[in-house]
Amino acid sequence: NAGVMQNPRHLVRRRGQEARLRCSPMKGHSHVYWYRQLPEEGLKFMVYLQKENIIDESGMPKERFSAEFPKEGPSILRIQQVVRGDSAAYFCASSPDEDSYNEQFFGPGTRLTVL
Amino acid sequence: SQKIEQNSEALNIQEGKTATLTCNYTNYSPAYLQWYRQDPGRGPVFLLLIRENEKEKRKERLKVTFDTTLKQSLFHITASQPADSATYLCALRSNTGKLIFGQGTTLQVKP
Repeated sequence: NAGVMQNPRHLVRRRGQEARLRCSPMKGHSHVYWYRQLPEEGLKFMVYLQKENIIDESGMPKERFSAEFPKEGPSILRIQQVVRGDSAAYFCASSPDEDSYNEQFFGPGTRLTVL
Repeated sequence: SQKIEQNSEALNIQEGKTATLTCNYTNYSPAYLQWYRQDPGRGPVFLLLIRENEKEKRKERLKVTFDTTLKQSLFHITASQPADSATYLCALRSNTGKLIFGQGTTLQVKP
């Protein structure tokens, strides 16, 4: 049973480019969460999605950031016109349908570097 | 706003000793609290969950306590080993499902 998969593991972008981060949850999980970890800081919640629905986006910056979790395929976190301050590790987590009060299973993260 | 605080200073202990990490929270009454381990360059891994009606939870060499009056959780690793060296995160779950993490405490166990 494969865990949460994220790709790419490392992503380098120049200022102004777009970054697309992908997350495939564990099999049978339909709840996906995105977190960001800045250097020397803790994990900060960004967005919580279920299939085709955004449940909580209270942690998403108002501009340039968007997320989706389509009926088919992985969840995508999209950052438009990246700036140096977007450099961070982005983690995706998933939890099962039956009981979202359980633990969240994290992927290995995508490390975004903006030059 | 909801706030979770962990001791940001690294904890250095000798192998075989008990490590104790602290997590304090404010402006929140969580139904349960979770602890995760994070190694450098990796995602967090779930360790333990403790509910508000549980005072203590154990798993092998790990023990977690939860004091809702003090708004504090303590995380203990007994008979610590160098392999226990990592950053340990406590987290509360909000009503909407997101996890609110502390900044983590880095533990270094020296042989």
